[in-house]
Amino acid sequence: DAGVTQSPTHLIKTRGQQVTLRCSPKSGHDTVSWYQQALGQGPQFIFQYYEEEERQRGNFPDRFSGHQFPNYSSELNVNALLLGDSALYLCASSRTGVVHTEAFFGQGTRLTVV
Amino acid sequence: AQKITQTQPGMFVQEKEAVTLDCTYDTSDPSYGLFWYKQPSSGEMIFLIYQGSYDQQNATEGRYSLNFQKARKSANLVISASQLGDSAMYFCAMRGQGGSEKLVFGKGTKLTVNP
Repeated sequence: DAGVTQSPTHLIKTRGQQVTLRCSPKSGHDTVSWYQQALGQGPQFIFQYYEEEERQRGNFPDRFSGHQFPNYSSELNVNALLLGDSALYLCASSRTGVVHTEAFFGQGTRLTVV
Repeated sequence: AQKITQTQPGMFVQEKEAVTLDCTYDTSDPSYGLFWYKQPSSGEMIFLIYQGSYDQQNATEGRYSLNFQKARKSANLVISASQLGDSAMYFCAMRGQGGSEKLVFGKGTKLTVNP
């Protein structure tokens, strides 16, 4: 079982550019959540995808958007990058309908905006 | 709204000793789950232990145990027999009602284990 996988692991972008991060959930999981973790902070919830739709969203601007594919994998897109978007982006997967006693995270993507 | 508070930015412990990391929470949900994660410098969030709000007994997982005091809304993590590899950031998090609700995290505690 591969667990949650994210790509790429590191990324450097310039202000104003757009970026796409990818996540493959753990086998058997159908729900993907994305988190942003700024340096020295705890992760902050961005949004959650289930059945290819955004089900829940945190306090993030519309520059942050996502997508879920029929195979349950997901993308996080950030447009018009700002320096403040530099962070570790974490993906977590779960299975809707099951009370989870554990949430599985990927290794994260470190985004640096210069 | 749910909130997690971790009041210890950093903690130090001698190898082989026990250490307690504090976590208090606030929620109006009658049903919730509490999690502890370890995050080494590599960045991966490693699940350690879970406590459900209706669980009668404190959770234990190997050297990790959770001191759950529901009335005080606290869920402290106890690490016994600390090892050098335990040095990392530790995050307390909670999930509200429903299995797929978002996780709300605290700001974390940096644990350093000294030889």
